[in-house]
Amino acid sequence: SAVISQKPSRDICQRGTSLTIQCQVDSQVTMMFWYRQQPGQSLTLIATANQGSEATYESGFVIDKFPISRPNLTFSTLTVSNMSPEDSSIYLCSVGRGPYEQYFGPGTRLTVT
Amino acid sequence: ILNVEQSPQSLHVQEGDSTNFTCSFPSSNFYALHWYRWETAKSPEALFVMTLNGDEKKKGRISATLNTKEGYSYLYIKGSQPEDSATYLCAFRSGKLIFGQGTELSVKP
Repeated sequence: SAVISQKPSRDICQRGTSLTIQCQVDSQVTMMFWYRQQPGQSLTLIATANQGSEATYESGFVIDKFPISRPNLTFSTLTVSNMSPEDSSIYLCSVGRGPYEQYFGPGTRLTVT
Repeated sequence: ILNVEQSPQSLHVQEGDSTNFTCSFPSSNFYALHWYRWETAKSPEALFVMTLNGDEKKKGRISATLNTKEGYSYLYIKGSQPEDSATYLCAFRSGKLIFGQGTELSVKP
């Protein structure tokens, strides 16, 4: 298994500002993922962040809006840039182990006013 | 576009009731089907990973079945307890995880 922590757990931000979410894992992992759940919607993959390479973004998500850093095998950040109310969501960090295991952090609940 | 559907969207039951939810997924390019339990402000907890047609898995009062040919999985909870209240997510693995919208279960004492 993997124990994942995220900071902050929640935040209320003003339109036009940016927020950086931190994800810390208790052990080294190759594959890290960032997800978003907008109100009433499914968990949706934003990007895959592997250490030593550029993050790979899913359709509909761009690096300018959601820059990601992956400086080592236990840590990653996701920045939500130039926020609008539509960015109000729960953002989750996730790690993969092997072909079938995937674990999630507790999420960051973001409200943009 | 791969679509994963869960039903019902929400469910309210009394303590002691047994209940079940459905997850429908594409029947082609199947790799695995995941079930997670997600309580508010906590990490989604992995319940089951199912890979073979006909798989049946059990964890305490919770069990799940898998039919990959017709593209559905059932999650059963026997004798629901208030602590079972959570959102239950299924996710279809085809390269990446594709999630359904979840079934929100509320168990009243």
